[in-house]
Amino acid sequence: EDQVTQSPEALRLQEGESSSLNCSYTVSGLRGLFWYRQDPGKGPEFLFTLYSAGEEKEKERLKATLTKKESFLHITAPKPEDSATYLCAVQGREDTDKLIFGTGTRLQVFP
Amino acid sequence: DAGITQSPRYKITETGRQVTLMCHQTWSHSYMFWYRQDLGHGLRLIYYSAAADITDKGEVPDGYVVSRSKTENFPLTLESATRSQTSVYFCASSAPPSGRGKKQFFGPGTRLTVL
Repeated sequence: EDQVTQSPEALRLQEGESSSLNCSYTVSGLRGLFWYRQDPGKGPEFLFTLYSAGEEKEKERLKATLTKKESFLHITAPKPEDSATYLCAVQGREDTDKLIFGTGTRLQVFP
Repeated sequence: DAGITQSPRYKITETGRQVTLMCHQTWSHSYMFWYRQDLGHGLRLIYYSAAADITDKGEVPDGYVVSRSKTENFPLTLESATRSQTSVYFCASSAPPSGRGKKQFFGPGTRLTVL
């Protein structure tokens, strides 16, 4: 069964203090790993798709990386506006229609 | 503006009443999805649709009914609402799956409270 586990559940950072969020997954044939950002009271907003181990994607202060078992979302010198819940999801070969989501990491960045 | 919209954004109802949540997308995506989001559970798939008149169950379909007569609309009905269906509901859409995974685009959500 496809499964996604995110850690930590919550993370508090000082502005400028870099860190990483983890997404561990088990899936029968990875078709894609997705990162989303969700602000309170809003729908998830797409950030990145990663397709194969070794792949990296960057956007502003965020960088997503992928191995065969996990993905990391690295946040460099975060700002308060980066505060949000970050969701990870996978799409596997057996259930190609669906995304399986983790429960998310709630990030708070303090000035 | 193009995108995916949901209505109503907030709804309070009573146990046993029928409630319909609406979802509309302007991208002509063939796939549409309904999720619920609860603390500690993350996003869980209720139903999805690959095209008009094609629907399938997700992880938590009990107590819900869907239909899709037009590509752009995908309403979700709670036939007899229960307190356990108090949640935030998200609609999403995507292009058809291919060899590579397809990202889903989410609506703003409907916060439903069942008293």
